[in-house]
Amino acid sequence: GAVVSQHPSRVICKSGTSVKIECRSLDFQATTMFWYRQFPKKSLMLMATSNEGSKATYEQGVEKDKFLINHASLTLSTLTVTSAHPEDSSFYICSADLAGVGNEQFFGPGTRLTVL
Amino acid sequence: KQEVTQIPAALSVPEGENLVLNCSFTDSAIYNLQWFRQDPGKGLTSLLLIQSSQREQTSGRLNASLDKSSGRSTLYIAASQPGDSATYLCAMRDANAGKSTFGDGTTLTVKP
Repeated sequence: GAVVSQHPSRVICKSGTSVKIECRSLDFQATTMFWYRQFPKKSLMLMATSNEGSKATYEQGVEKDKFLINHASLTLSTLTVTSAHPEDSSFYICSADLAGVGNEQFFGPGTRLTVL
Repeated sequence: KQEVTQIPAALSVPEGENLVLNCSFTDSAIYNLQWFRQDPGKGLTSLLLIQSSQREQTSGRLNASLDKSSGRSTLYIAASQPGDSATYLCAMRDANAGKSTFGDGTTLTVKP
């Protein structure tokens, strides 16, 4: 199947710093990628839809200036958590659409963010 | 707004049993349905994808069904193994092939 990678897999940072997470589709091009956030023992919450070459579409309640998304190429989307605070600590997962029959979503391995 | 519910939240079975995980949804205008597996601290692995026009999909010991009229999907696992222990999530993709709505998952434990 299609492979999606995320980097870094784990990051610990001090409060107030910014953290960038990369999501790459390794063997296919993805015009659309999605960013999710997962709280402990909870399901995934969609944060935003990232479209190559255009602005991301954010879900209600997600701060655009807090979570900056850039989809600069067909294989790379980045999520930057700006001025991170402890409440931003979470598991962040991206997914990419495999275009064609079914639009199956393939997910990255996730990034564990811990803000001290 | 789509709502997805998974029952039970947790399930523990002895090795070898056949089991069914349930997923219900409120809006039948879906594009597709996907079942995922998630191991602790890991990302999601896609198990099965069912298109809106399909009724079921099979892969090895897994069989997933879709009944839009009743707003239900089931994931059947045959001859369960300890390695099947994980959290299983279902996700509904909306009719415009846009965002997906996930259930909270069923955490399965298969005891040797």
